[in-house]
Amino acid sequence: DSGVTQTPKHLITATGQRVTLRCSPRSGDLSVYWYQQSLDQGLQFLIQYYNGEERAKGNILERFSAQQFPDLHSELNLSSLELGDSALYFCASSVGTGGWTEAFFGQGTRLTVV
Amino acid sequence: KNQVEQSPQSLIILEGKNCTLQCNYTVSPFSNLRWYKQDTGRGPVSLTIMTFSENTKSNGRYTATLDADTKQSSLHITASQLSDSASYICVVSQDDYKLSFGAGTTVTVRA
Repeated sequence: DSGVTQTPKHLITATGQRVTLRCSPRSGDLSVYWYQQSLDQGLQFLIQYYNGEERAKGNILERFSAQQFPDLHSELNLSSLELGDSALYFCASSVGTGGWTEAFFGQGTRLTVV
Repeated sequence: KNQVEQSPQSLIILEGKNCTLQCNYTVSPFSNLRWYKQDTGRGPVSLTIMTFSENTKSNGRYTATLDADTKQSSLHITASQLSDSASYICVVSQDDYKLSFGAGTTVTVRA
């Protein structure tokens, strides 16, 4: 158990809908990262928050947004869902930011868009 | 073009045999290189982390090597076990926050 909690574990929704994925980082970790892993694809970095502020953006679509709350949990909002958004969404957390910090991954949320 | 390329894409080995996975990267600047193991449907778990000055690092039956000059790394699995069946992901960290992920090598160990 990495200490990073993601909910829900599975989510099935229809095209055009909006969903929210939740991530609780490890105790003491200030950074939260979101990644998308499509079927047979590698992990794609979406966005990073550090202590409540957006720190870095990767290949995140405009239909997607995220935030980190004062208690450091984070939510990833996916709207106007398309079939191609079906994927595993991982959250990772680390103590700080910077190349040396170890990132611990949650178990992921499997999103299926039908 | 992905800045971290892994090969082979997949491989099958018999239990007890050894195998080596390759990672070539073009990421610059370079802070450290990590190997993660990802079981199907689960989050990646760190195996090793190396700086540019380290040539080799071991974690049990896993040994990672790094040649920072040629920008190549390898992960060697010794005496493979069925539980080694997983995807192995090479991750290169730059001097800031950014992690660049390879697509992974899927290893299947058969009895």
